[in-house]
Amino acid sequence: GQSLEQPSEVTAVEGAIVQINCTYQTSGFYGLSWYQQHDGGAPTFLSYNALDGLEETGRFSSFLSRSDSYGYLLLQELQMKDSASYFCAVRGGNTGGFKTIFGAGTRLFVKA
Amino acid sequence: KAGVTQTPRYLIKTRGQQVTLSCSPISGHRSVSWYQQTPGQGLQFLFEYFSETQRNKGNFPGRFSGRQFSNSRSEMNVSTLELGDSALYLCASSLAGLESHEQYFGPGTRLTVT
Repeated sequence: GQSLEQPSEVTAVEGAIVQINCTYQTSGFYGLSWYQQHDGGAPTFLSYNALDGLEETGRFSSFLSRSDSYGYLLLQELQMKDSASYFCAVRGGNTGGFKTIFGAGTRLFVKA
Repeated sequence: KAGVTQTPRYLIKTRGQQVTLSCSPISGHRSVSWYQQTPGQGLQFLFEYFSETQRNKGNFPGRFSGRQFSNSRSEMNVSTLELGDSALYLCASSLAGLESHEQYFGPGTRLTVT
């Protein structure tokens, strides 16, 4: 089957750096994605890693280690507007079918 | 380019009734996935459609079903509603391709079962 684990909550102060970890189990792994969801809003795509290494997009970076079935999202120069839930998601499957499975989400609280 | 649209946005139903939710993907997107979101449970995968074919299904009872039309629009149906079906139902579209990883979500349909 497929499963993901990520912390339920993280708190950090404005201007700081925070890392949200995600470990996963899946068959037919294609890649690890990250989504952000503000209260009352829809999830929005942040980043995607198919290969090992770090991908940087502005203040956000995402890392993947396929051998460790592990990834993380790094948020730098935290702003109050970054307070949201962050979901890691695994795209996996085989010729019988593909699906994207989401973790339960990490609630990030940014304090002034 | 218009985003993913879902109708209705809010719905209140009674136990035992059935409901149909609709999703229109971004133009050119042929894959549509459905998710159920409840507090503390994250997004639970329901099913994914591509070119009118169900490509995969999550672990939900048979009361949950869906379909996709030739214009890529999709509907999901829940029959014999239960209180536990109260949730936000999200639809997401993506480009064709088995490795399509970037999904665009609609605003969701908030279903309340009383």
